[in-house]
Amino acid sequence: GQNIDQPTEMTATEGAIVQINCTYQTSGFNGLFWYQQHAGEAPTFLSYNVLDGLEEKGRFSSFLSRSKGYSYLLLKELQMKDSASYLCAVNNDYKLSFGAGTTVTVRA
Amino acid sequence: IAGITQAPTSQILAAGRRMTLRCTQDMRHNAMYWYRQDLGLGLRLIHYSNTAGTTGKGEVPDGYSVSRANTDDFPLTLASAVPSQTSVYFCASSVVASGANVLTFGAGSRLTVL
Repeated sequence: GQNIDQPTEMTATEGAIVQINCTYQTSGFNGLFWYQQHAGEAPTFLSYNVLDGLEEKGRFSSFLSRSKGYSYLLLKELQMKDSASYLCAVNNDYKLSFGAGTTVTVRA
Repeated sequence: IAGITQAPTSQILAAGRRMTLRCTQDMRHNAMYWYRQDLGLGLRLIHYSNTAGTTGKGEVPDGYSVSRANTDDFPLTLASAVPSQTSVYFCASSVVASGANVLTFGAGSRLTVL
């Protein structure tokens, strides 16, 4: 079975940093994804980690520890447009299992 | 614009009726997926297809069926809709290869079963 946990909600101030944690217990593992989903829209791809360590992409970074079943998404220099849900997903046999998502609210 | 087209965008349906949600992609992706998204539960996989002519069951397949007659189309059918199938349905596609399986999602179909 799949068990993917992430916080339900987080609030942060514009310009600040927010870290969204994701822990997983899955029957198989071929990598971990982060997706962003604005309200009423489709999810869009943010990042992918298959090896341990940090992947950096501009203001967004993602970290993976396979031995701990743990990942985080780091959002730096927060902007109002970053208010969205962030979905952690584990790739198992080329099918993605998603966590329930973390809603991030950025306040001025 | 290349991508995934879903239809209808929104539909209200009486319980017991049959409904087909349509999904078409023009990216020549070999794999396609149907997810439903419910508040507090996230995206859950209903059915998938790794290539034309093959389909598989996901996490919540009961009450749904799919077909994959060609690469581009992957319709999802509710044979006899029930209120618990009220949800937002997302179709997705990807190139299944040895590397990352990045999903591209359609805009979603909001279905209400009364």
